[in-house]
Amino acid sequence: AQKITQTQPGMFVQEKEAVTLDCTYDTSDQSYGLFWYKQPSSGEMIFLIYQGSYDEQNATEGRYSLNFQKARKSANLVISASQLGDSAMYFCAMREGYSSNTGKLIFGQGTTLQVKP
Amino acid sequence: DGGITQSPKYLFRKEGQNVTLSCEQNLNHDAMYWYRQDPGQGLRLIYYSQIVNDFQKGDIAEGYSVSREKKESFPLTVTSAQKNPTAFYLCASTEDSFRWNEQFFGPGTRLTVL
Repeated sequence: AQKITQTQPGMFVQEKEAVTLDCTYDTSDQSYGLFWYKQPSSGEMIFLIYQGSYDEQNATEGRYSLNFQKARKSANLVISASQLGDSAMYFCAMREGYSSNTGKLIFGQGTTLQVKP
Repeated sequence: DGGITQSPKYLFRKEGQNVTLSCEQNLNHDAMYWYRQDPGQGLRLIYYSQIVNDFQKGDIAEGYSVSREKKESFPLTVTSAQKNPTAFYLCASTEDSFRWNEQFFGPGTRLTVL
């Protein structure tokens, strides 16, 4: 069964420093997609970054980058130059592969990030 | 502005009552999803619809029902059969389930059983 594991319930980072949020996944599909979402205290889910299993380059979006290590089945999110507004819960999610084109996402438990001034 | 709206933002239900959560999108997306989030937890899929007039059960469908009579609307009913309905409910949509695009989420409805 497909599964996403986020082992860090909570993280602290100093403002302007970089932080890495861990995500490991388990799937038997060859084709899959990995997503990161941010959830502020207001509750909405904000899409940050996407990595496809066949993408050769690590995805980047502004201050967000994804450290994709396929052999280790990890897809860690790196946030550079942390800002106070980055304080939120972060979720890693995986989309099922081509065997089932439902678009369903499987979510990890999340990591709460707090940025200190 | 295109997006997803959910109403109400907060909902209180007495035990034994059915309640319906609204989800509307004007993104012209084919696929829509309902997720449940418990405190400090990730999201779990309740129901999804890949196209109008069709929907499928997700991982935790028991005690819930949905309809998809219009492309832009995907209401969720929490029935009295749902044993522990207090949670945060999020609706999402994507262009179509065959494309590997991100899902867009609504602002959520927080349901509390009194």
